[in-house]
Amino acid sequence: RKEVEQDPGPFNVPEGATVAFNCTYSNSASQSFFWYRQDCRKEPKLLMSVYSSGNEDGRFTAQLNRASQYISLLIRDSKLSDSATYLCVVNRDGGYNKLIFGAGTRLAVHP
Amino acid sequence: DAGVIQSPRHEVTEMGQEVTLRCKPISGHNSLFWYRQTMMRGLELLIYFNNNVPIDDSGMPEDRFSAKMPNASFSTLKIQPSEPRDSAVYFCASSSQGREQFFGPGTRLTVL
Repeated sequence: RKEVEQDPGPFNVPEGATVAFNCTYSNSASQSFFWYRQDCRKEPKLLMSVYSSGNEDGRFTAQLNRASQYISLLIRDSKLSDSATYLCVVNRDGGYNKLIFGAGTRLAVHP
Repeated sequence: DAGVIQSPRHEVTEMGQEVTLRCKPISGHNSLFWYRQTMMRGLELLIYFNNNVPIDDSGMPEDRFSAKMPNASFSTLKIQPSEPRDSAVYFCASSSQGREQFFGPGTRLTVL
């Protein structure tokens, strides 16, 4: 079993739709959690950190459920520019160093 | 700032040849990471350095792979001899004081 599991998608949604991605992790010792975005043939970039209380950044909301070892990302009012692969990432050592990446969920937003 | 710089951006080589990938981290960053990304295995951490010292190389696949960081502004990842299964995109990333990792554009390696 992979340490970080994601639905690979693709999720095909129209502009303006709300879409949610889920992720589970197996190592209960994981301490830090993130969502990264990766555009086609580009490098991954940090989208947002995920905090226990949940956090929001504009149209993006991230949630963490430590009891269920589950992380989610909600995108409201999808834009064409949101089309990308979203990577769920966990870290074991409490910082940013040893990152474990999920395989990613592909999102395609169409007009 | 120029960001993390990697070279070459593309490399095509034949099985058995030595391959050297290069990385220049963001100035002032004290941690450097090498990753490999393939369709089958996703993005995997190979090795990382703190203050030029290798901290964790448990992700290095085998002895054919080696990495060095002779100074704070340069690192290499070497594969000798290369094999077709080494074909992947290799990313270098750097960070400062354990904070956000910034990735370079990657080197796309094809071993024939």
